[in-house]
Amino acid sequence: EAQVTQNPRYLITVTGKKLTVTCSQNMNHEYMSWYRQDPGLGLRQIYYSMNVEVTDKGDVPEGYKVSRKEKRNFPLILESPSPNQTSLYFCASSPLLGNDQPQHFGDGTRLSIL
Amino acid sequence: GNSVTQMEGPVTLSEEAFLTINCTYTATGYPSLFWYVQYPGEGLQLLLKATKADDKGSNKGFEATYRKETTSFHLEKGSVQVSDSAVYFCALRDDKIIFGKGTRLHILP
Repeated sequence: EAQVTQNPRYLITVTGKKLTVTCSQNMNHEYMSWYRQDPGLGLRQIYYSMNVEVTDKGDVPEGYKVSRKEKRNFPLILESPSPNQTSLYFCASSPLLGNDQPQHFGDGTRLSIL
Repeated sequence: GNSVTQMEGPVTLSEEAFLTINCTYTATGYPSLFWYVQYPGEGLQLLLKATKADDKGSNKGFEATYRKETTSFHLEKGSVQVSDSAVYFCALRDDKIIFGKGTRLHILP
């Protein structure tokens, strides 16, 4: 089954404790992206990657890191989480070429930073 | 730059009512347009899409027509059900992917 898998689904942690949210897709997609969803603000893009070893900042990259060492994986890293990073996070993937290609989303990761 | 504006919610309707959620866009190129739906506790999933002017996307009774002259892609459904309660996102894809802020829809039985 074609899917985007995020882990964990839920995490409560404390300020300053490094965490990683994993994202994996099995569709051989070149393009992968991370979003955060907050009430009243919709989806905001954090980082995206157009292929292995190619990453770029989205609209709200501060406080986040990503890596793309393999095509299928695109982890989101919070080196020193802060309470303003409490949010619902989504990973998405799609083929790179063809603007008619929709994004495929994971089920989300709800992070609470105390 | 490109942008997507959709009507703010929440939108509350009774079952079997007619639904319209407005979406307008600005784009310099020739984007594809999408509607995504997010059910509670889930990620976004594609509802329908249209790739060029005058195309109509349709799925699960929902329809939207790509109107270049009015730069719009309004979502419609003739008779909504309680199970349609969700958040709906309009989006475009050109050189970038841009999402609207989402519209929460509540359907009352």
